[in-house]
Amino acid sequence: DAKTTQPNSMESNEEEPVHLPCNHSTISGTDYIHWYRQLPSQGPEYVIHGLTSNVNNRMASLAIAEDRKSSTLILHRATLRDAAVYYCILRDGEAQKLVFGQGTRLTINP
Amino acid sequence: DAGVIQSPRHEVTEMGQEVTLRCKPISGHNSLFWYRQTMMRGLELLIYFNNNVPIDDSGMPEDRFSAKMPNASFSTLKIQPSEPRDSAVYFCASRGLAVNTGELFFGEGSRLTVL
Repeated sequence: DAKTTQPNSMESNEEEPVHLPCNHSTISGTDYIHWYRQLPSQGPEYVIHGLTSNVNNRMASLAIAEDRKSSTLILHRATLRDAAVYYCILRDGEAQKLVFGQGTRLTINP
Repeated sequence: DAGVIQSPRHEVTEMGQEVTLRCKPISGHNSLFWYRQTMMRGLELLIYFNNNVPIDDSGMPEDRFSAKMPNASFSTLKIQPSEPRDSAVYFCASRGLAVNTGELFFGEGSRLTVL
């Protein structure tokens, strides 16, 4: 599986936007970029995914660099409930499994 | 929908005992995944099934671990005999038919403590 690199931790303030970076310089043309998050004492939950174009959903936005070697998960207005570990994962279009890295622990200050 | 249901939520057992963890995937989902999470190793994929058939068990730590999926609505992960290093949170997840883009839905996990 292609590797992703994320900062170990980030901190932001409530009601401010948060930009979570992910580097994936070895991404292949068929790799989808997936983001999951894990709230304390819960299982991971899906956030968003994309291939080439930027994506928006009710939870977040995903900005993908033109060369696809990096991406950014954007939380437009963070709340305390967004405090979690965020995982950026590459999944080959043929592969069926998701391999999680260490993720970014996001702290939201009130 | 009730989501992915795992049982037990917590289990404390003694070394050498058999442990069975259970999972009920979301109805209609055809893929099921077992993960293990520890502080040291993070989230590790143990095994996954498609249409009740094991596809990749390369993450299963050793022969003490076994997983079965006798039907589309039930799976078990068994550890026999259990050891203290098996202490972890075990997650089950399921996914529907959209393989390339379908999201995984995770259960709340089974926290295992082996004394």
